[in-house]
Amino acid sequence: GQQLNQSPQSMFIQEGEDVSMNCTSSSIFNTWLWYKQEPGEGPVLLIALYKAGELTSNGRLTAQFGITRKDSFLNISASIPSDVGIYFCAVMIKAAGNKLTFGGGTRVLVKP
Amino acid sequence: DTAVSQTPKYLVTQMGNDKSIKCEQNLGHDTMYWYKQDSKKFLKIMFSYNNKELIINETVPNRFSPKSPDKAHLNLHINSLELGDSAVYFCASSHLAGGPVTQYFGPGTRLLVL
Repeated sequence: GQQLNQSPQSMFIQEGEDVSMNCTSSSIFNTWLWYKQEPGEGPVLLIALYKAGELTSNGRLTAQFGITRKDSFLNISASIPSDVGIYFCAVMIKAAGNKLTFGGGTRVLVKP
Repeated sequence: DTAVSQTPKYLVTQMGNDKSIKCEQNLGHDTMYWYKQDSKKFLKIMFSYNNKELIINETVPNRFSPKSPDKAHLNLHINSLELGDSAVYFCASSHLAGGPVTQYFGPGTRLLVL
């Protein structure tokens, strides 16, 4: 079945740092999404990408849809403590009733 | 103001019991979904309904039966609960087409089967 490989699995951030995570697939997808999940909550959409090569920003977040349509990355600039959480990439298949397939998540933690 | 709401938030029950989880959305969406998140935080779709009609049915044991009385509600009934059913269950909703198809998730129902 479809599988999204998301890396890193976890990372520690220090306030002010830029961090990056990515997601790859062996299949082509036309819609890539990035969600954030905080403890005790459901995932919240951060950025949606609909066109290969597209670069989209949402505040300090920037995401790109890979030109091959098989990957995407998410950057967080000047990280702050409230950036902690689990970030998920996902792909949507409209022909399958908008089915979302998620990556395994990147757990962002604060450096002690 | 709640967009997608689920009840209960926590559910602790014994193996073999039957339980239901309810979901309601007030966003005017025509499509609702159930996702399961396991202990490793992996999220996987289970079902989807569009205007009360089942459109996605992943490989899920038939002990799980979704029911949509109207397009604002999608409930999940689970028969003969097993230990492996322990997980967080998320409801979501969206438009199916004709506009933004962003899925909005509820806060989750944490099910623990003992």
